[in-house]
Amino acid sequence: EAGVAQSPRYKIIEKRQSVAFWCNPISGHATLYWYQQILGQGPKLLIQFQNNGVVDDSQLPKDRFSAERLKGVDSTLKIQPAKLEDSAVYLCASSPRSYEQYFGPGTRLTVT
Amino acid sequence: GDSVTQMEGPVTLSEEAFLTINCTYTATGYPSLFWYVQYPGEGLQLLLKATKADDKGSNKGFEATYRKETTSFHLEKGSVQVSDSAVYFCALSSYGNKLVFGAGTILRVKS
Repeated sequence: EAGVAQSPRYKIIEKRQSVAFWCNPISGHATLYWYQQILGQGPKLLIQFQNNGVVDDSQLPKDRFSAERLKGVDSTLKIQPAKLEDSAVYLCASSPRSYEQYFGPGTRLTVT
Repeated sequence: GDSVTQMEGPVTLSEEAFLTINCTYTATGYPSLFWYVQYPGEGLQLLLKATKADDKGSNKGFEATYRKETTSFHLEKGSVQVSDSAVYFCALSSYGNKLVFGAGTILRVKS
């Protein structure tokens, strides 16, 4: 069974530029999550989708971050414009049911 | 709000030593508790879980017991190997599937 796919794996941008990350969850998984992991910290949930609807986006900085999950399958997370403090690893996870989240390898973003 | 506190690392051990990584939590209700592991260059993997008080999760020689009275979920392994070197995250889930993670503990095992 293929795992959660993410791309790109690494991205370096300058502040105020835009960036987008892509995630393809495990086939059949209805729930998709985006986490932000800042160096030295644990992952923090940004947004949770159930199929193509948003379940929780309470910690998403909506003035600059946006996410969508069209057709309830893959998802994109966008940052526009980026700030230095957005430098982090962005993790995507998917889940078929409660408590079992499967994580992708992450995208490491560096904002200079 | 919900939170998880882990012991700070890095923890450096010799091969075959006993491992304990402490984890305590604050949560409303009765959360499920998890340990995730992140090997170098890889994504997070679920190591073990416990869904109610006094449950013991175990996997690959690692164990953790859900202690409601001390709000703890300490990770233990009797004999570590070099291949166990990784970052270990304690996490909880109180509402639906939302995971709240600790800061992570780096484990380094020397041969």
